[in-house]
Amino acid sequence: GIQVEQSPPDLILQEGANSTLRCNFSDSVNNLQWFHQNPWGQLINLFYIPSGTKQNGRLSATTVATERYSLLYISSSQTTDSGVYFCAVELNSGYALNFGKGTSLLVTP
Amino acid sequence: GAVVSQHPSWVICKSGTSVKIECRSLDFQATTMFWYRQFPKQSLMLMATSNEGSKATYEQGVEKDKFLINHASLTLSTLTVTSAHPEDSSFYICSASIEGAKEGYTFGSGTRLTVV
Repeated sequence: GIQVEQSPPDLILQEGANSTLRCNFSDSVNNLQWFHQNPWGQLINLFYIPSGTKQNGRLSATTVATERYSLLYISSSQTTDSGVYFCAVELNSGYALNFGKGTSLLVTP
Repeated sequence: GAVVSQHPSWVICKSGTSVKIECRSLDFQATTMFWYRQFPKQSLMLMATSNEGSKATYEQGVEKDKFLINHASLTLSTLTVTSAHPEDSSFYICSASIEGAKEGYTFGSGTRLTVV
């Protein structure tokens, strides 16, 4: 099956710092999404981004489909950004998402 | 965007009993829903694909007789954990998408199951 690798696995930032999370995938994909899982387990959809660049406030994401990677940028991090960030890909339309192992982010005051 | 409602949010049950988890698509029809399981500090693993009006498709290693999936309508899929044991304690979460909409998958809020 398709491999989804995320890096780094863990990240500690001081409030206000910027960070870049990376997602590499092993095959062409129909869809790529970034999620933030909060402490209660809920998955918040951050970006639907099979290709190109999107921005939403302090967050932005870029997917280079031809090179099979995606990046999630967090700027001016806040303590509320803490949690686990997952990258997930859909191999073909209608297939389930395959998740990476996630990046666990802790933002300290 | 698509909204998926899942309940209960958490449940504690005794070993040997069964637990039913519901997942509803709100304001859209979902012919397919996916069920995932997440153990602590791990990623989400696909358990099964739920198809309206037909049998579910289970991933390798998932016992279909233990995890019963019913997708009787276009807006409701249920997962029943039968004869639950402590090792079934986990976080269960469903997802669906609006067909043809370029917005990806939406997830329910998840169900934390504890078997004692």
